[in-house]
Amino acid sequence: EAGVTQSPTHLIKTRGQQVTLRCSPISGHTSVYWYQQALGLGLQFLLWYDEGEERNRGNFPPRFSGRQFPNYSSELNVNALELEDSALYLCASSLGQGGTDTQYFGPGTRLTVL
Amino acid sequence: AQTVTQSQPEMSVQEAETVTLSCTYDTSESNYYLFWYKQPPSRQMILVIRQEAYKQQNATENRFSVNFQKAAKSFSLKISDSQLGDTAMYFCAFIPSGAGSYQLTFGKGTKLSVIP
Repeated sequence: EAGVTQSPTHLIKTRGQQVTLRCSPISGHTSVYWYQQALGLGLQFLLWYDEGEERNRGNFPPRFSGRQFPNYSSELNVNALELEDSALYLCASSLGQGGTDTQYFGPGTRLTVL
Repeated sequence: AQTVTQSQPEMSVQEAETVTLSCTYDTSESNYYLFWYKQPPSRQMILVIRQEAYKQQNATENRFSVNFQKAAKSFSLKISDSQLGDTAMYFCAFIPSGAGSYQLTFGKGTKLSVIP
């Protein structure tokens, strides 16, 4: 069974640009989570989508947004990129049963902002 | 709010030896789940082991086992017969149980190096 997939693997952008990251969950999973792993800051929760709705977001500005499609895949959009947005962006999926369920991670997208 | 602390930024172990990684957490929740994830240089975050707080029995997965001390809020990971492929960052993570729980809270990680 295929795991969580993410695309692209790497991205290089310049300040002020916009970027879209993509995630496909494990088949049967309805929840998708986005995390940012920046150097020195550890893993920070960004967004949670379930059944097509944004259920919650972490402490990030509104220029971080996303959506979940009917097939449960998800996009993370970051507008007006800043240097500190350089990070590994990890997507995870779960069965959507809240805290009783294990989150499985994709390989991540490495974003570099110059 | 929950916090997870991993007090060992880096550790090393000889191949075939045993190593224990420490994790403590702070929460007011009574029901929750604890996880150890492994992130090798390939950066894919891989689930190592999961513990449900209401279960007294420590979880085990092959060479990996935990020592879960609920009263002490401690959740250490023991790796037996260490292998070169165990070289990775190891993250301890916490999530409250129940509907509406969604966010894994991670520790800062422990970088484990297995030496041949």
